[in-house]
Amino acid sequence: GESVGLHLPTLSVQEGDNSIINCAYSNSASDYFIWYKQESGKGPQFIIDIRSNMDKRQGQRVTVLLNKTVKHLSLQIAATQPGDSAVYFCAENTQGAQKLVFGQGTRLTINP
Amino acid sequence: DAGVTQSPTHLIKTRGQQVTLRCSPISGHKSVSWYQQVLGQGPQFIFQYYEKEERGRGNFPDRFSARQFPNYSSELNVNALLLGDSALYLCASSYTGLDEKLFFGSGTQLSVL
Repeated sequence: GESVGLHLPTLSVQEGDNSIINCAYSNSASDYFIWYKQESGKGPQFIIDIRSNMDKRQGQRVTVLLNKTVKHLSLQIAATQPGDSAVYFCAENTQGAQKLVFGQGTRLTINP
Repeated sequence: DAGVTQSPTHLIKTRGQQVTLRCSPISGHKSVSWYQQVLGQGPQFIFQYYEKEERGRGNFPDRFSARQFPNYSSELNVNALLLGDSALYLCASSYTGLDEKLFFGSGTQLSVL
Protein backbone atom coordinates (compact mmCIF):
# COMPACT_ATOMS: atom_id res chain seq x y z
CA GLY A 1 0.00 0.00 0.00
CA GLU A 2 1.00 3.61 -0.18
CA SER A 3 2.60 5.25 2.80
CA VAL A 4 5.06 7.95 3.58
CA GLY A 5 7.05 7.52 6.74
CA LEU A 6 9.74 9.34 8.64
CA HIS A 7 12.81 7.82 10.23
CA LEU A 8 12.76 9.99 13.36
CA PRO A 9 9.81 11.54 15.14
CA THR A 10 11.94 14.21 16.85
CA LEU A 11 15.15 16.04 16.02
CA SER A 12 17.03 18.42 18.27
CA VAL A 13 19.81 20.62 16.87
CA GLN A 14 21.96 23.49 18.02
CA GLU A 15 21.17 26.93 16.69
CA GLY A 16 23.39 27.61 13.71
CA ASP A 17 23.92 23.95 12.87
CA ASN A 18 22.50 22.26 9.79
CA SER A 19 19.41 20.07 10.16
CA ILE A 20 18.61 17.01 8.11
CA ILE A 21 15.11 15.55 8.18
CA ASN A 22 14.56 12.23 6.46
CA CYS A 23 11.55 10.60 4.86
CA ALA A 24 10.95 7.19 3.28
CA TYR A 25 8.19 6.50 0.83
CA SER A 26 6.87 3.18 -0.39
CA ASN A 27 4.92 4.03 -3.55
CA SER A 28 7.34 3.67 -6.44
CA ALA A 29 4.81 5.44 -8.67
CA SER A 30 5.13 8.65 -6.65
CA ASP A 31 6.57 11.38 -8.82
CA TYR A 32 6.06 14.59 -6.91
CA PHE A 33 7.22 15.33 -3.37
CA ILE A 34 6.67 18.28 -1.08
CA TRP A 35 8.01 19.36 2.28
CA TYR A 36 5.71 21.30 4.58
CA LYS A 37 6.41 23.09 7.86
CA GLN A 38 3.69 23.27 10.47
CA GLU A 39 3.90 25.55 13.46
CA SER A 40 1.63 25.19 16.45
CA GLY A 41 -1.89 26.38 15.71
CA LYS A 42 -1.24 26.85 12.01
CA GLY A 43 -1.79 24.94 8.82
CA PRO A 44 1.07 23.33 6.88
CA GLN A 45 3.25 25.86 5.09
CA PHE A 46 4.92 24.97 1.80
CA ILE A 47 8.71 24.85 1.97
CA ILE A 48 10.00 23.21 -1.18
CA ASP A 49 9.01 20.60 -3.73
CA ILE A 50 10.75 18.27 -6.13
CA ARG A 51 9.68 16.12 -9.05
CA SER A 52 10.96 12.66 -9.76
CA ASN A 53 13.02 13.77 -12.75
CA MET A 54 15.30 15.65 -10.35
CA ASP A 55 17.69 14.50 -7.61
CA LYS A 56 18.22 17.79 -5.86
CA ARG A 57 16.58 21.14 -5.54
CA GLN A 58 17.65 24.16 -3.56
CA GLY A 59 15.73 27.01 -2.04
CA GLN A 60 16.57 29.69 0.46
CA ARG A 61 18.50 27.85 3.22
CA VAL A 62 16.77 24.59 2.28
CA THR A 63 17.72 21.72 0.02
CA VAL A 64 15.67 18.68 -0.86
CA LEU A 65 17.35 15.49 -2.00
CA LEU A 66 15.53 12.64 -3.71
CA ASN A 67 16.93 9.14 -4.02
CA LYS A 68 14.51 7.13 -6.12
CA THR A 69 16.60 3.97 -5.92
CA VAL A 70 15.97 3.60 -2.21
CA LYS A 71 12.79 5.70 -2.16
CA HIS A 72 14.19 8.24 0.23
CA LEU A 73 13.67 11.97 0.57
CA SER A 74 15.51 14.42 2.80
CA LEU A 75 15.22 18.06 3.76
CA GLN A 76 18.34 19.95 4.71
CA ILE A 77 18.06 23.24 6.55
CA ALA A 78 21.21 25.32 6.67
CA ALA A 79 22.16 27.43 9.70
CA THR A 80 19.09 26.43 11.69
CA GLN A 81 17.36 29.30 13.46
CA PRO A 82 14.87 29.40 16.36
CA GLY A 83 12.13 30.20 13.85
CA ASP A 84 12.71 26.84 12.22
CA SER A 85 11.20 25.08 15.23
CA ALA A 86 8.14 23.25 13.94
CA VAL A 87 6.87 19.89 12.75
CA TYR A 88 8.04 19.01 9.27
CA PHE A 89 6.04 16.76 6.98
CA CYS A 90 6.97 15.15 3.73
CA ALA A 91 4.14 14.45 1.32
CA GLU A 92 4.01 12.54 -1.91
CA ASN A 93 1.76 12.57 -4.92
CA THR A 94 1.29 10.29 -7.87
CA GLN A 95 0.67 11.79 -11.29
CA GLY A 96 -3.02 12.21 -11.85
CA ALA A 97 -3.91 11.50 -8.24
CA GLN A 98 -6.02 13.98 -6.39
CA LYS A 99 -4.41 13.75 -3.01
CA LEU A 100 -1.20 14.22 -1.12
CA VAL A 101 -0.12 11.41 1.19
CA PHE A 102 1.57 12.79 4.29
CA GLY A 103 4.00 11.20 6.65
CA GLN A 104 3.63 11.38 10.42
CA GLY A 105 6.00 14.32 10.78
CA THR A 106 9.26 15.18 12.53
CA ARG A 107 9.37 17.71 15.31
CA LEU A 108 12.44 19.93 15.01
CA THR A 109 13.57 21.72 18.16
CA ILE A 110 16.40 24.24 18.30
CA ASN A 111 18.75 24.44 21.26
CA PRO A 112 20.20 27.90 21.97
CA ASP B 1 -2.92 38.81 -0.86
CA ALA B 2 -5.31 36.77 1.23
CA GLY B 3 -4.42 33.14 1.75
CA VAL B 4 -6.83 30.29 2.29
CA THR B 5 -9.35 31.30 4.92
CA GLN B 6 -11.34 28.92 7.07
CA SER B 7 -14.17 29.43 9.51
CA PRO B 8 -14.78 28.97 12.31
CA THR B 9 -11.34 28.59 13.87
CA HIS B 10 -12.62 26.53 16.77
CA LEU B 11 -15.80 24.55 17.30
CA ILE B 12 -17.17 22.41 20.10
CA LYS B 13 -19.94 19.94 19.37
CA THR B 14 -21.51 16.96 21.12
CA ARG B 15 -21.86 13.45 19.80
CA GLY B 16 -24.61 13.02 17.25
CA GLN B 17 -24.65 16.64 16.14
CA GLN B 18 -23.71 17.83 12.68
CA VAL B 19 -21.19 20.48 11.72
CA THR B 20 -20.43 22.64 8.69
CA LEU B 21 -16.97 24.01 8.07
CA ARG B 22 -16.23 26.70 5.51
CA CYS B 23 -13.30 27.52 3.28
CA SER B 24 -12.41 30.28 0.85
CA PRO B 25 -9.55 29.50 -1.53
CA ILE B 26 -6.83 31.80 -2.72
CA SER B 27 -8.09 34.07 -5.46
CA GLY B 28 -7.66 32.36 -8.82
CA HIS B 29 -7.53 28.86 -7.40
CA LYS B 30 -10.24 26.56 -8.68
CA SER B 31 -9.51 23.47 -6.63
CA VAL B 32 -10.24 22.94 -2.95
CA SER B 33 -9.20 19.93 -0.90
CA TRP B 34 -10.10 18.93 2.62
CA TYR B 35 -7.83 17.10 5.04
CA GLN B 36 -8.29 15.80 8.57
CA GLN B 37 -5.37 16.02 10.96
CA VAL B 38 -5.57 14.10 14.18
CA LEU B 39 -3.22 15.24 16.92
CA GLY B 40 0.27 13.88 16.38
CA GLN B 41 -0.33 12.68 12.84
CA GLY B 42 -0.04 13.98 9.33
CA PRO B 43 -3.07 15.27 7.45
CA GLN B 44 -5.35 12.66 5.85
CA PHE B 45 -7.13 13.33 2.58
CA ILE B 46 -10.92 13.63 2.72
CA PHE B 47 -12.10 15.29 -0.52
CA GLN B 48 -10.98 17.24 -3.51
CA TYR B 49 -13.21 19.47 -5.60
CA TYR B 50 -12.45 21.17 -8.88
CA GLU B 51 -14.82 23.42 -10.75
CA LYS B 52 -17.64 22.37 -8.39
CA GLU B 53 -17.18 18.68 -9.15
CA GLU B 54 -15.91 16.08 -6.72
CA ARG B 55 -12.66 14.78 -8.12
CA GLY B 56 -11.50 12.56 -5.30
CA ARG B 57 -12.65 11.07 -2.04
CA GLY B 58 -10.55 9.56 0.72
CA ASN B 59 -11.34 6.67 3.01
CA PHE B 60 -13.94 8.42 5.14
CA PRO B 61 -17.52 7.34 5.92
CA ASP B 62 -20.57 8.75 4.19
CA ARG B 63 -21.15 10.97 7.20
CA PHE B 64 -18.61 13.24 5.57
CA SER B 65 -19.76 15.30 2.60
CA ALA B 66 -18.67 18.45 0.86
CA ARG B 67 -19.50 20.79 -1.92
CA GLN B 68 -17.95 23.61 -3.88
CA PHE B 69 -19.76 26.75 -4.89
CA PRO B 70 -19.55 28.80 -8.12
CA ASN B 71 -17.17 31.23 -6.41
CA TYR B 72 -14.93 28.21 -5.62
CA SER B 73 -15.50 28.39 -1.87
CA SER B 74 -16.32 25.12 -0.19
CA GLU B 75 -18.11 23.56 2.74
CA LEU B 76 -17.37 20.35 4.57
CA ASN B 77 -20.26 18.73 6.42
CA VAL B 78 -20.00 16.01 9.00
CA ASN B 79 -23.15 14.34 10.30
CA ALA B 80 -23.72 12.21 13.39
CA LEU B 81 -20.49 13.33 15.00
CA LEU B 82 -18.38 10.81 16.87
CA LEU B 83 -15.72 11.43 19.47
CA GLY B 84 -13.17 10.25 16.93
CA ASP B 85 -14.06 13.09 14.60
CA SER B 86 -12.23 15.47 16.91
CA ALA B 87 -9.40 16.84 14.82
CA LEU B 88 -8.01 19.81 12.95
CA TYR B 89 -9.79 20.12 9.61
CA LEU B 90 -7.64 21.71 6.97
CA CYS B 91 -8.68 23.22 3.70
CA ALA B 92 -6.18 23.61 0.88
CA SER B 93 -6.43 25.27 -2.49
CA SER B 94 -4.53 25.16 -5.74
CA TYR B 95 -5.03 26.09 -9.38
CA THR B 96 -5.94 22.66 -10.69
CA GLY B 97 -5.43 20.27 -7.80
CA LEU B 98 -3.24 17.94 -9.84
CA ASP B 99 0.51 17.50 -9.45
CA GLU B 100 1.02 20.83 -7.76
CA LYS B 101 1.60 22.18 -4.31
CA LEU B 102 -1.35 22.87 -2.07
CA PHE B 103 -1.74 26.01 0.01
CA PHE B 104 -3.31 25.32 3.37
CA GLY B 105 -5.46 27.40 5.65
CA SER B 106 -4.98 27.46 9.41
CA GLY B 107 -7.76 24.95 9.89
CA THR B 108 -10.82 24.50 12.05
CA GLN B 109 -10.21 22.77 15.36
CA LEU B 110 -13.23 20.56 16.02
CA SER B 111 -13.79 19.08 19.44
CA VAL B 112 -16.54 16.50 19.89
CA LEU B 113 -17.62 15.91 23.48
